[in-house]
Amino acid sequence: EAGVAQSPRYKIIEKRQSVAFWCNPISGHATLYWYQQILGQGPKLLIQFQNNGVVDDSQLPKDRFSAERLKGVDSTLKIQPAKLEDSAVYLCASSLYRDSSYEQYFGPGTRLTVT
Amino acid sequence: AQSVTQLDSQVPVFEEAPVELRCNYSSSVSVYLFWYVQYPNQGLQLLLKYLSGSTLVKGINGFEAEFNKSQTSFHLRKPSVHISDTAEYFCAVTPGDYGQNFVFGPGTRLSVLP
Repeated sequence: EAGVAQSPRYKIIEKRQSVAFWCNPISGHATLYWYQQILGQGPKLLIQFQNNGVVDDSQLPKDRFSAERLKGVDSTLKIQPAKLEDSAVYLCASSLYRDSSYEQYFGPGTRLTVT
Repeated sequence: AQSVTQLDSQVPVFEEAPVELRCNYSSSVSVYLFWYVQYPNQGLQLLLKYLSGSTLVKGINGFEAEFNKSQTSFHLRKPSVHISDTAEYFCAVTPGDYGQNFVFGPGTRLSVLP
């Protein structure tokens, strides 16, 4: 079974530029998450999709961040314009209901550096 | 809303020694509890989870965790660590009603020394 795929793995941009990240979840997983992990901290949920609908985007900075999930499969997360504090690892995860609970499967992440 | 505290940001331990990584949570509803491990430059991987029943749960790589409702804790243990256990460990909670809203703690960096 293929895992969660993310690209690019690394990205360096200057502040005020825009950037996009791509995620392909595990086939058949209806729920997809985007997390922001700042160095030294745990992952923080940015947005959660169920199929192609948004379940929770309460912590997404909507003035600069946007996300979509095309046809309920792949997803893209965009930042425009980027700020220095956006430097972090952006993790994508998808979940499956197994053994009486949902279990998350994470991709390797995209490390964003904003200079 | 749920929250998770991991009091130890870093835990150094010698190889073959036992280790305990602490996790405490706060919630007004029943929760499911999880431990994840993150190796350098990789995503998170599930170690084990507690849903209900026996308070001692066993996971992969020889790890186990014990749920203590009165102390709202879910500490992770391993009787003998290996160099390969060096990683970041995260405790997480979700609401116990088939919830998918995962809240993570800040993580504990386990460093296993030779």
